[in-house]
Amino acid sequence: QQPVQSPQAVILREGEDAVINCSSSKALYSVHWYRQKHGEAPVFLMILLKGGEQKGHDKISASFNEKKQQSSLYLTASQLSYSGTYFCGTAGAAGNKLTFGGGTRVLVKP
Amino acid sequence: EAGVTQFPSHSVIEKGQTVTLRCDPISGHDNLYWYRRVMGKEIKFLLHFVKESKQDESGMPNNRFLAERTGGTYSTLKVQPAELEDSGVYFCASSGLVRSYNSPLHFGNGTRLTVT
Repeated sequence: QQPVQSPQAVILREGEDAVINCSSSKALYSVHWYRQKHGEAPVFLMILLKGGEQKGHDKISASFNEKKQQSSLYLTASQLSYSGTYFCGTAGAAGNKLTFGGGTRVLVKP
Repeated sequence: EAGVTQFPSHSVIEKGQTVTLRCDPISGHDNLYWYRRVMGKEIKFLLHFVKESKQDESGMPNNRFLAERTGGTYSTLKVQPAELEDSGVYFCASSGLVRSYNSPLHFGNGTRLTVT
């Protein structure tokens, strides 16, 4: 069962903030976040493991609530380079593969 | 360190033809994954190799798809015969650890397959 991402798309002005959510109906062991720019490979941003930790990558951070089976990605003071499609990937305890959400398209305008 | 490379970057074939996609993972990465993204939808899992063995092929759509990984190095994904619904971007990814829950995936740029 693939995780559900919301919103599907968001348009921001440079410097604005945004939140992308990722929800699963299955118990999760970890959540990954990736960003893909058009025509390029998805690029790894961060992994969050069970324990509700929050991580950061530049001004992009994320949280993981394993009880709610949800993760959120926070884009703070967005930059033009943040534009792209963000995917969450989830793994259960077996952890053999990631199941990806449908993606959230982010466009940051000057 | 060289990244994951995929070949070709684009392929346009007619329905009924055969296409073979190739993936060279990062050297030393035992885990190799194939994923596919159909226009605007999720990145969908196809299969997972650990070295030369198929660990999980539950995502392969049907027996028109055949994946191999010779000697645990590069991998090929053959589609024969291709159908219109096979169009999409095929991504290969590799990782160094067995359990993907704590290991980043390194993706290639993908092969854009168009079946006409």
